[in-house]
Amino acid sequence: GESVGLHLPTLSVQEGDNSIINCAYSNSASDYFIWYKQESGKGPQFIIDIRSNMDKRQGQRVTVLLNKTVKHLSLQIAATQPGDSAVYFCAEIRMDSSYKLIFGSGTRLLVRP
Amino acid sequence: IAGITQAPTSQILAAGRRMTLRCTQDMRHNAMYWYRQDLGLGLRLIHYSNTAGTTGKGEVPDGYSVSRANTDDFPLTLASAVPSQTSVYFCASSDWRTGEDNQPQHFGDGTRLSIL
Repeated sequence: GESVGLHLPTLSVQEGDNSIINCAYSNSASDYFIWYKQESGKGPQFIIDIRSNMDKRQGQRVTVLLNKTVKHLSLQIAATQPGDSAVYFCAEIRMDSSYKLIFGSGTRLLVRP
Repeated sequence: IAGITQAPTSQILAAGRRMTLRCTQDMRHNAMYWYRQDLGLGLRLIHYSNTAGTTGKGEVPDGYSVSRANTDDFPLTLASAVPSQTSVYFCASSDWRTGEDNQPQHFGDGTRLSIL
């Protein structure tokens, strides 16, 4: 069925390196995508979003890329820091779902000192 | 600090008991949501409310009910708890308007519920 999913369940990176977390989605009708960060014992925290009329959006140390042709979303974190260690979720809004988020299962990012 | 407050933060409950999880937001968001998070399954939508006085079913609504008497509060009730409802429950809110650009949902820190 239609879903939002992630390619890698765990990603380990060296402190200072760049991180790339990937996400695939299957519904071409989705028009809004969000990345969330979740630390242990906390709720998901909004990182960055992108609308379907864009292919790139930058924030502070983070960039989201959207490739609608292959239905792929990625989150790039520059100069990864220990505080970036968390689980990252992508989520999509489907135009016919009244703003109900569909979440992927998450990728755990581990930052090695 | 503005945001979402959930209570209790954790609870152990006997099967068959009734339980209400509380959620309050002070951002005047019109839309509110309840999710459950289980290991390996990510977050799944239980119920939602686009505005005070209206509610809708999400992906996994069975065994749960909600009400939205006002803008700020969105309680989730388990009428007769079962062990499969052991999970972490997150409340979220967003500023949602028909026909306008979507806005991100903001989450509380969750209620950890164990049903024995």
